[in-house]
Amino acid sequence: EPEVTQTPSHQVTQMGQEVILRCVPISNHLYFYWYRQILGQKVEFLVSFYNNEISEKSEIFDDQFSVERPDGSNFTLKIRSTKLEDSAMYFCASTTPGTGVYEQFFGPGTRLTVL
Amino acid sequence: AQSVSQHNHHVILSEAASLELGCNYSYGGTVNLFWYVQYPGQHLQLLLKYFSGDPLVKGIKGFEAEFIKSKFSFNLRKPSVQWSDTAEYFCAVNAQSGGYQKVTFGTGTKLQVIP
Repeated sequence: EPEVTQTPSHQVTQMGQEVILRCVPISNHLYFYWYRQILGQKVEFLVSFYNNEISEKSEIFDDQFSVERPDGSNFTLKIRSTKLEDSAMYFCASTTPGTGVYEQFFGPGTRLTVL
Repeated sequence: AQSVSQHNHHVILSEAASLELGCNYSYGGTVNLFWYVQYPGQHLQLLLKYFSGDPLVKGIKGFEAEFIKSKFSFNLRKPSVQWSDTAEYFCAVNAQSGGYQKVTFGTGTKLQVIP
């Protein structure tokens, strides 16, 4: 069964550094999402992306964050200058129209640790 | 905006006990409803989903949930829990409106099953 994949599984970085989290959505999916889960808290929506542009973003998704689909298969989340509070698990998700099914398929997540 | 409330933050049960986890949502329109499970150290897995039709939905691992529209509720049930059900459970909702909307998660319920 097709699944969403994410790399790396764990990223450790120093505060102020840039990180790029990578996701490969399911191949025929057209809608892409990033969510994050700070340890012990709920999963929060960051951004949705469709047709090469952001559809919706939350207030968490400030100017330090950006998303890109550089090559038609990868979907990336960049954090320009990481802060301690960016430490979290980041989940990518994807879905597609046409099936009448609204389920988003989640990847296994990237654990980001900012020191 | 949609929101999800999970009233039980931490539930402890003995094996073979019955489980019911409460979930209420708030949204003015039609919604899709989900329950996700997150086993320790693992990523989100979909337990079950409701889009339309029979309000009693059955998912994997013997779980079921009932959508009660008048109560804005989607409670998760299992007649007899096992130690392996120890995990965190998230209720989630997204709007059935145009486009493919973000998923809003509840705060989660940690279930601990004692052998």
